[in-house]
Amino acid sequence: QSALTQPRSVSGSPGQSVTISCTGTSSDVGGYNYVSWYQQHPGKAPKLIIYDVSKRPSGVPDLFSGSKSGNTASLTISGLQAEDEADYYCCSYVGSYTLLFGGGTKLTVL
Amino acid sequence: EVQLVESGGGLVQPGGSLRLSCAASGFIFSSSWMHWVRQAPGKGLVWVSRIKSDGSATHYADSVKGRFTISRDNAKNTLYLEMSSLRVEDTAVYYCANSIRSLVSLDHWGQGTLVTVSS
Repeated sequence: QSALTQPRSVSGSPGQSVTISCTGTSSDVGGYNYVSWYQQHPGKAPKLIIYDVSKRPSGVPDLFSGSKSGNTASLTISGLQAEDEADYYCCSYVGSYTLLFGGGTKLTVL
Repeated sequence: EVQLVESGGGLVQPGGSLRLSCAASGFIFSSSWMHWVRQAPGKGLVWVSRIKSDGSATHYADSVKGRFTISRDNAKNTLYLEMSSLRVEDTAVYYCANSIRSLVSLDHWGQGTLVTVSS
């Protein structure tokens, strides 16, 4: 199964908002409210920032928000900060107890 | 504090075998589904496998089905990944992760262990 589709890169200036999309099909993103998002800094392990489409773990700033429309999920980062520069991955449940990641998006803070 | 510590990575020849371990602490291991996720050098994350809290159910990505076996020892708070018939394309950092908030959320991750398959 091919990875979910994410833009390879996005960028924004400090204080701006950026949105990263994650496009799948009705068999994955569109079929379940089980999309999560992960932030990964270079050389580090990924970190959960959004789960079940729009829920935020305690300790994750409310600058991060998630949503879904049809077969596309989105991660929005409001008020960009330098430390938000990282790779971001979406992940969806695809049935049969299996998961599928997106290809990843590199966020650059200008 | 949740801690997940992977070990067992290394260099192995194509066709060889390797067993990874993940020592868990700081949460109720026996109540948590556990996962393995891998990341080839310079590439994205790929889900590999998951196991139910009591070990009674396991699931795999198609790319490793029949070659990898996930298991756990709840008495030792340890997760395993037995890998056989290894291929060059299995070269990656392997992470273990737990699911606490949701059956499909990967809440906490270890630091990863590198597996290199090469002749």
